[in-house]
Amino acid sequence: RKEVEQDPGPFNVPEGATVAFNCTYSNSASQSFFWYRQDCRKEPKLLMSVYSSGNEDGRFTAQLNRASQYISLLIRDSKLSDSATYLCVVKLQGGGFKTIFGAGTRLFVKA
Amino acid sequence: NAGVMQNPRHLVRRRGQEARLRCSPMKGHSHVYWYRQLPEEGLKFMVYLQKENIIDESGMPKERFSAEFPKEGPSILRIQQVVRGDSAAYFCASQPPGDGELFFGEGSRLTVL
Repeated sequence: RKEVEQDPGPFNVPEGATVAFNCTYSNSASQSFFWYRQDCRKEPKLLMSVYSSGNEDGRFTAQLNRASQYISLLIRDSKLSDSATYLCVVKLQGGGFKTIFGAGTRLFVKA
Repeated sequence: NAGVMQNPRHLVRRRGQEARLRCSPMKGHSHVYWYRQLPEEGLKFMVYLQKENIIDESGMPKERFSAEFPKEGPSILRIQQVVRGDSAAYFCASQPPGDGELFFGEGSRLTVL
């Protein structure tokens, strides 16, 4: 079983749509959680951290369910510029903090 | 404040040659990660290093691959006797001490002919 699993997509949505991405992780010792965004042939960049209480940043909302080992990202009012691959990221503690990336979910937002 | 610097950005090697990829972390960052990304695939963890110390190399292939992060100078990912399957983007990320965000370099794209 992969340490971090995501639906690969692609998700094809029209502008203005709401889209949700899910992610599950297998290691219950996981400490920290993030969503990163990667544009085509570019490096990943941090989108937002994910907290148990849930957190929101503009049109983006992230949720964490530790009991189910599940992370989600909700994007409201999709923009063309949201087209990218979204990476679920889990940090494990064990001799330092090892950071594991999911394979990513690809999003295409169309006009 | 310069970001994570990787070089070369693009590298072409013939089968059997050696590839050396370099990564200079952000100033003040003492932790470096290397990831490999094959075309149309996700990032695969390779190795996690601190200065002069390999913390976790569980993602490194057992042969031909090695990494170091010396006291002075950049971190180096070395691939000996490259094969076509090594063609990929290799990303380096650095992290400040403790539990902080990873900052990525722009990647080094290796093509093996």
